[in-house]
Amino acid sequence: DQQVKQNSPSLSVQEGRISILNCDYTNSMFDYFLWYKKYPAEGPTFLISISSIKDKNEDGRFTVFLNKSAKHLSLHIVPSQPGDSAVYFCAASKGSQGNLIFGKGTKLSVKP
Amino acid sequence: DAGITQSPRYKITETGRQVTLMCHQTWSHSYMFWYRQDLGHGLRLIYYSAAADITDKGEVPDGYVVSRSKTENFPLTLESATRSQTSVYFCASSEGQSYGYTFGSGTRLTVV
Repeated sequence: DQQVKQNSPSLSVQEGRISILNCDYTNSMFDYFLWYKKYPAEGPTFLISISSIKDKNEDGRFTVFLNKSAKHLSLHIVPSQPGDSAVYFCAASKGSQGNLIFGKGTKLSVKP
Repeated sequence: DAGITQSPRYKITETGRQVTLMCHQTWSHSYMFWYRQDLGHGLRLIYYSAAADITDKGEVPDGYVVSRSKTENFPLTLESATRSQTSVYFCASSEGQSYGYTFGSGTRLTVV
């Protein structure tokens, strides 16, 4: 039973446009959410996070939005660049005693 | 060099053989984790460790053994490898159980 769901296996976007990656979760106890980015033949790298006390967190071109009532978060990349092409994993945890639970990932392709 | 290193990067082994994947981190992080990445499943937790000599099962522990005699090392052993254990294995470390993890570059294991 998946607790963190990324329902889009892939997404293709034109360079310069906005990329929106979505993530849904089922456990209302989750209170910390992260996005990781993974290039082929490399380990995932931390991108951005958000605590449940916030609804938005921004870091340069990357913004994460959290909608607790819908149990939904999204990652916006503006503007998208070809170097953003990677697999993006959403992850969630509950409190300080829970491990990170990862979604299955979304492969983003940014076309020049 | 500071960081988290995994060895070997690639490994081919035969069914029934014992194989050990190594993980070493230089930050003295308390927590260490082993994940496997498979197509259609994303990242799944195998085992984790909160400190030296403390280990616990994750989502998919069957067929794997871990140990943590030193804080910096967290080897993963497949006692009798099966084809279903063909996967990419990632080790990670963290200051806290649900903080952002830092991942190694992965070991691609093929069981023939």
